[in-house]
Amino acid sequence: GAGVSQTPSNKVTEKGKYVELRCDPISGHTALYWYRQSLGQGPEFLIYFQGTGAADDSGLPNDRFFAVRPEGSVSTLKIQRTERGDSAVYLCASSLGGGASDTQYFGPGTRLTVL
Amino acid sequence: AQSVTQLGSHVSVSEGALVLLRCNYSSSVPPYLFWYVQYPNQGLQLLLKYTSAATLVKGINGFEAEFKKSETSFHLTKPSAHMSDAAEYFCAVSDTGNQFYFGTGTSLTVIP
Repeated sequence: GAGVSQTPSNKVTEKGKYVELRCDPISGHTALYWYRQSLGQGPEFLIYFQGTGAADDSGLPNDRFFAVRPEGSVSTLKIQRTERGDSAVYLCASSLGGGASDTQYFGPGTRLTVL
Repeated sequence: AQSVTQLGSHVSVSEGALVLLRCNYSSSVPPYLFWYVQYPNQGLQLLLKYTSAATLVKGINGFEAEFKKSETSFHLTKPSAHMSDAAEYFCAVSDTGNQFYFGTGTSLTVIP
């Protein structure tokens, strides 16, 4: 079946602009995670959704970052007033029920470049 | 707090040789441990995971890892490297499943 998809695959924006990154999880997966991967680093946890609610948003670096999942499926990561330091690959993953023993399935990522 | 340390950002092995990628973790509670592989221009793929059952975990593509609590380690091994194993490998740890902490990755090169 279809895996996790993310759009766009690449996004170039200017400093100060607003961007939205979209994640389509595997159908039926209640858990959804966002990560940020900077060059030469491992994925860094941002936020975890269980259904429609953010179960853990402690990884969001500041209030310029916000994510929603209004219907418990598609999620959007929103970044306001982008800064050059926001440039990274943003990864989305989903799992069937959440929990550490569930396998996470990752999307290919969105490469964000802030000029 | 949890963390993962991967020793060696780059590892090179000859084709057919043993692959050993090192991972040490820090966790205040019994952890869940994972190894992921990332091929160029592809998403992360789970290789194997430890969830407190058997300490020796077998994964896909002939990889396995052993959980050693006394050494706080979860090293990844494969007896014989193939050219197709060349990729970036990440170790990760979680306790609750809310947050997953990844290491900085090890890039594996296989020399023909």
